[in-house]
Amino acid sequence: KNEVEQSPQNLTAQEGEFITINCSYSVGISALHWLQQHPGGGIVSLFMLSSGKKKHGRLIATINIQEKHSSLHITASHPRDSAVYICAVFTNFGNEKLTFGTGTRLTIIP
Amino acid sequence: DTGVSQNPRHKITKRGQNVTFRCDPISEHNRLYWYRQTLGQGPEFLTYFQNEAQLEKSRLLSDRFSAERPKGSFSTLEIQRTEQGDSAMYLCASSYGQFPFFGPGTRLTVL
Repeated sequence: KNEVEQSPQNLTAQEGEFITINCSYSVGISALHWLQQHPGGGIVSLFMLSSGKKKHGRLIATINIQEKHSSLHITASHPRDSAVYICAVFTNFGNEKLTFGTGTRLTIIP
Repeated sequence: DTGVSQNPRHKITKRGQNVTFRCDPISEHNRLYWYRQTLGQGPEFLTYFQNEAQLEKSRLLSDRFSAERPKGSFSTLEIQRTEQGDSAMYLCASSYGQFPFFGPGTRLTVL
């Protein structure tokens, strides 16, 4: 079992729909990142969370430390949101390292 | 450009050859990570440096793989006797604290 699990693996939606991507982790963490990866490989960090909720434009990220669960929401989705969204955690035991989920491929259809 | 850079961006090699990739992190970042990503998968951890010390190596990093960060600045990842299964995107990231910045990756194709 992976230390970081994401669901769904693939998601196709119509433009304008509300999108939710989920991330569950099984290890102790000091921080969680939501990352965006476009075709061609470039990875950009969208959010870093250690508690609560963060919002940036149409993106909202939440984390529940007790339940070891985080969600990424996209409101009013747009075709330019099409990308792979990856959850990654900094583990807090021993040497910190960033461990990734397998990603969610999001396709928004006009 | 003050971001993380990786060279080369693409490498095609024949099975059995050795390859070396370079990562130049953001200058004040003390942590440097190497990851490998195959198609349809999230990045997999390979190894991690804090300054010049290699603190952790993944079991994925066989004896054919070696990484160095000699002066705590740039890092190199060498793969000896490449195999077709080594074909992947090799990603480097650097951080000071817990906010990583990623390089564009080096795509390796082993024929």
